[in-house]
Amino acid sequence: GESVGLHLPTLSVQEGDNSIINCAYSNSASDYFIWYKQESGKGPQFIIDIRSNMDKRQGQRVTVLLNKTVKHLSLQIAATQPGDSAVYFCAERSGGGADGLTFGKGTHLIIQP
Amino acid sequence: DTAVSQTPKYLVTQMGNDKSIKCEQNLGHDTMYWYKQDSKKFLKIMFSYNNKELIINETVPNRFSPKSPDKAHLNLHINSLELGDSAVYFCASSPGVSQETQYFGPGTRLLVL
Repeated sequence: GESVGLHLPTLSVQEGDNSIINCAYSNSASDYFIWYKQESGKGPQFIIDIRSNMDKRQGQRVTVLLNKTVKHLSLQIAATQPGDSAVYFCAERSGGGADGLTFGKGTHLIIQP
Repeated sequence: DTAVSQTPKYLVTQMGNDKSIKCEQNLGHDTMYWYKQDSKKFLKIMFSYNNKELIINETVPNRFSPKSPDKAHLNLHINSLELGDSAVYFCASSPGVSQETQYFGPGTRLLVL
């Protein structure tokens, strides 16, 4: 069955606020995780990734946190902007990539003006 | 200057027809993929090729046949189209076989009537 999932299907935040998107995974053998952003009518776009030997990784306005103990992944977006409105997917890789990436269901982030 | 391109963008066809979707990447990547995204936005890998060789073949009906004439192209041919094939099909590429940092195309929206 599906091993990666998201807690909230829709998240609405005020412009300028921070947002946190959560993701749970069940495969303890997963060694690599990615967050993708998909805008309406477009393909998924890579945001940030993290390996299982790390707990935190920061990018521009985004931070990914990995808690292997509870198999939880989160994406934090600081100072959200209208352009951040999109569906966000987490994905995991296990087996060294031989089985491909497994994507979660996606969270729709809505930025309110 | 599109990195991963797909044609056509939209495809509307009758049940039972045979159709092809083309994908090209100009990133010099060795690995290419096909994903299917259903109406609930769930993304699932179908195939991946590395240097023209098939490395992932998920449980996909054999009506779907990928073809890679060279490492920059991965086409998807679908025979005897069914209603359930209606979805958005995404092509992606990555530098290696480890599934990391995949770059997605804009998608092909297939509607089978």
